[in-house]
Amino acid sequence: AQRVTQPEKLLSVFKGAPVELKCNYSYSGSPELFWYVQYSRQRLQLLLRHISRESIKGFTADLNKGETSFHLKKPFAQEEDSAMYYCALSDAGGNTGKLIFGQGTTLQVKP
Amino acid sequence: KAGVTQTPRYLIKTRGQQVTLSCSPISGHRSVSWYQQTPGQGLQFLFEYFSETQRNKGNFPGRFSGRQFSNSRSEMNVSTLELGDSALYLCASSPDGVAGSYTFGSGTRLTVV
Repeated sequence: AQRVTQPEKLLSVFKGAPVELKCNYSYSGSPELFWYVQYSRQRLQLLLRHISRESIKGFTADLNKGETSFHLKKPFAQEEDSAMYYCALSDAGGNTGKLIFGQGTTLQVKP
Repeated sequence: KAGVTQTPRYLIKTRGQQVTLSCSPISGHRSVSWYQQTPGQGLQFLFEYFSETQRNKGNFPGRFSGRQFSNSRSEMNVSTLELGDSALYLCASSPDGVAGSYTFGSGTRLTVV
């Protein structure tokens, strides 16, 4: 069954420290993976997708098919990074609006 | 450019009633997806419409239904409400139905008492 697991409900770090938000997935085909972010009192929004291989707001994520992981990383956390982060998976080659979300990880960046 | 608009923002209903939630996508978007968000289950996919056709459906009982109109606006209906249906219902729209291209609305907070 398709599944996305984010093992940490809460990740608390100090400003300037490295951040790694973990995401593991279970999928039999070739998935497309995404990270979404929801800042306080704002809408859920796309942060990045694995096929773009881009860095957004200093965040990167690499798809590791061997470990079935898609961890989100940032070398130096900023206070404005505090938010809820969701890892999500799309099947059907990405041609669908159906996303399977993980439970989310709250990132708290302390000053 | 207006974003995805969901109405109403808040709703309180009694068990056994039915409810209709509305979603107006971004102009020009042809696809709408719906999600239920609860503290216990997180974000769960309900259904997806593309040009008025249901393209995907999640694992929800038949009490949950939806439709999309020719102007791409979408509604979802929940009949015979249960306490467990209390949730934030999110709608997202996309111009082309490709994953990652969806823009989310603010949601409708449904409380069933």
